[in-house]
Amino acid sequence: GQQVMQIPQYQHVQEGEDFTTYCNSSTTLSNIQWYKQRPGGHPVFLIQLVKSGEVKKQKRLTFQFGEAKKNSSLHITATQTTDVGTYFCAVCYNQGGKLIFGQGTELSVKP
Amino acid sequence: EAGVTQFPSHSVIEKGQTVTLRCDPISGHDNLYWYRRVMGKEIKFLLHFVKESKQDESGMPNNRFLAERTGGTYSTLKVQPAELEDSGVYFCASSQYETQYFGPGTRLLVL
Repeated sequence: GQQVMQIPQYQHVQEGEDFTTYCNSSTTLSNIQWYKQRPGGHPVFLIQLVKSGEVKKQKRLTFQFGEAKKNSSLHITATQTTDVGTYFCAVCYNQGGKLIFGQGTELSVKP
Repeated sequence: EAGVTQFPSHSVIEKGQTVTLRCDPISGHDNLYWYRRVMGKEIKFLLHFVKESKQDESGMPNNRFLAERTGGTYSTLKVQPAELEDSGVYFCASSQYETQYFGPGTRLLVL
């Protein structure tokens, strides 16, 4: 089945530093979604990208979908301690169907 | 509006016992999903209901797992008999369209 590879697995940053997580697929994706899971919490939907080369911003978060629709990234500018958690990319199959998740990147932020 | 709720929040059982997890989706959501996250790994899809029908159960690991959604409202996931490798966090999610809303999860530990 289709897989989405996500790197890095862990990222430790000093507060104020930037952070980026990447998702890659060997096949063209119809969409990519991003979720955040706080420690002990549940995945919370952040955004969905569907267009080639799409870039969306949410405050300090920037989401990109590659031109070939095979990769995506989430970049956080000037991390804060509230950004701590695991960030997952996911692909939604068959409009409203199952989500296939990447492995997740666990972000820790040192104050 | 209430979010997705799951019961119990935690369950500790012995190998060979039976456990039943419950999920109440957001009212009006026809789609209900079950996912599992094991040992900090990626979140894996188990199955998808549309109303009371199983749309996709390709992620169910084996016949020890039985999911139901009688009446198309709440859903149950029964594990019988439980094995050590069933330990993990079981998430339920619901959606009306493409955005899936996750519940807080049930943390299952099989000893």
